[in-house]
Amino acid sequence: QKEVEQDPGPLSVPEGAIVSLNCTYSNSAFQYFMWYRQYSRKGPELLMYTYSSGNKEDGRFTAQVDKSSKYISLFIRDSQPSDSATYLCAMSGFGAGNNRKLIWGLGTSLAVNP
Amino acid sequence: GAGVSQSPSNKVTEKGKDVELRCDPISGHTALYWYRQSLGQGLEFLIYFQGNSAPDKSGLPSDRFSAERTGGSVSTLTIQRTQQEDSAVYLCASSRAAESTDTQYFGPGTRLTVL
Repeated sequence: QKEVEQDPGPLSVPEGAIVSLNCTYSNSAFQYFMWYRQYSRKGPELLMYTYSSGNKEDGRFTAQVDKSSKYISLFIRDSQPSDSATYLCAMSGFGAGNNRKLIWGLGTSLAVNP
Repeated sequence: GAGVSQSPSNKVTEKGKDVELRCDPISGHTALYWYRQSLGQGLEFLIYFQGNSAPDKSGLPSDRFSAERTGGSVSTLTIQRTQQEDSAVYLCASSRAAESTDTQYFGPGTRLTVL
């Protein structure tokens, strides 16, 4: 079993839909959770990060962490065609040196259809 | 400001040849990472440089892979005697330091095809 599980999709939704992307993990030491977005033929870019449990909102995006269930989510409201990309979750422990120990999900491919 | 740049953007080579991939990190970033991304495999950590410390090579898949970072800036990933299974996108990232809160900024990648 991988440390981080993420359904690769593909996920196809109509424009304006609410999108829910998820990852599960097995390592209870993970405390720092990130979502990266990767457009085709580009490198990943950080979208959002959260520390420990709770929610974080940024515009149309909400990141949610449930440490008791070892489950993280990214919600996209009012999805747009420009949101079509692959979304990767990544996580690590917290503190110096942990940046090199990011554990990545496989990524979920999302297509938002006009 | 300038982001992470990588060259070449595409590389096609024959099996058995050596290849060099280059990464120019963001100026002032002390940490540099190489990853490999293949279909169905996700992002695979290869090697990590942090300042003047010894690199973390724990992700290199074989001794055909090596990397160096000169002057704490530019890095080169070398693959010797390439094999078809080396075909992938090789991504470089840099971050300000090595704390978990330091964002990794990625380059566009080098798409390597080994025939």
